[in-house]
Amino acid sequence: ETGVTQTPRHLVMGMTNKKSLKCEQHLGHNAMYWYKQSAKKPLELMFVYSLEERVENNSVPSRFSPECPNSSHLFLHLHTLQPEDSALYLCASSGGQGGVYEQYFGPGTRLTVT
Amino acid sequence: GDSVTQMEGPVTLSEEACLTINCTYTATGYPSLFWYVQYPGEGLQLLLKATKADDKGSNKGFEATYRKETTSFHLEKGSVQVSDSAVYFCALIAYGSGNTGKLIFGQGTTLQVKP
Repeated sequence: ETGVTQTPRHLVMGMTNKKSLKCEQHLGHNAMYWYKQSAKKPLELMFVYSLEERVENNSVPSRFSPECPNSSHLFLHLHTLQPEDSALYLCASSGGQGGVYEQYFGPGTRLTVT
Repeated sequence: GDSVTQMEGPVTLSEEACLTINCTYTATGYPSLFWYVQYPGEGLQLLLKATKADDKGSNKGFEATYRKETTSFHLEKGSVQVSDSAVYFCALIAYGSGNTGKLIFGQGTTLQVKP
């Protein structure tokens, strides 16, 4: 498989559930990102990992917990979410080897919190 | 802080019409600029990029020129197709720590092309 993959593609969860989103990149990149895309709002950067170390956390509530066990995998652990957390969650990766550091995105996980 | 402003949509065009989606930015320094496209039900795909002033990015018939004097990066296509219907995002990159980049997006412009 190539590019950036995300699972699951769709997720419905209750406010008391715990679930995890998974992202995997097959591009040999060393930086990974989580973005949130809500209706009628610009894309929001949530977390940035470089070489498996979190380098940015954009004031995201603690009910979102990222994990980056290696440079190819990124998780977003979810617990006690709110209905306003319903959104498309996008993962991206970038090379960091010099140049533009352009980011490549996965297809996203459509999350609905009931 | 850095920001990107796009023209509001939706933009509705007939097939083979000309397209321009305006994008302007505010940034310290000289950021790299991007256009991403999001087709229904999918993630974002990099459409084109430009890394310095006067650079022209192009792909799939789309073009955009990095204009430092007007801080703009307008997206153009001479003849749109129904398959171009999507949401288009203008973005700049602010370089972060650890060789990472923080993409700052505009709000997106929806393009609908009718046969």
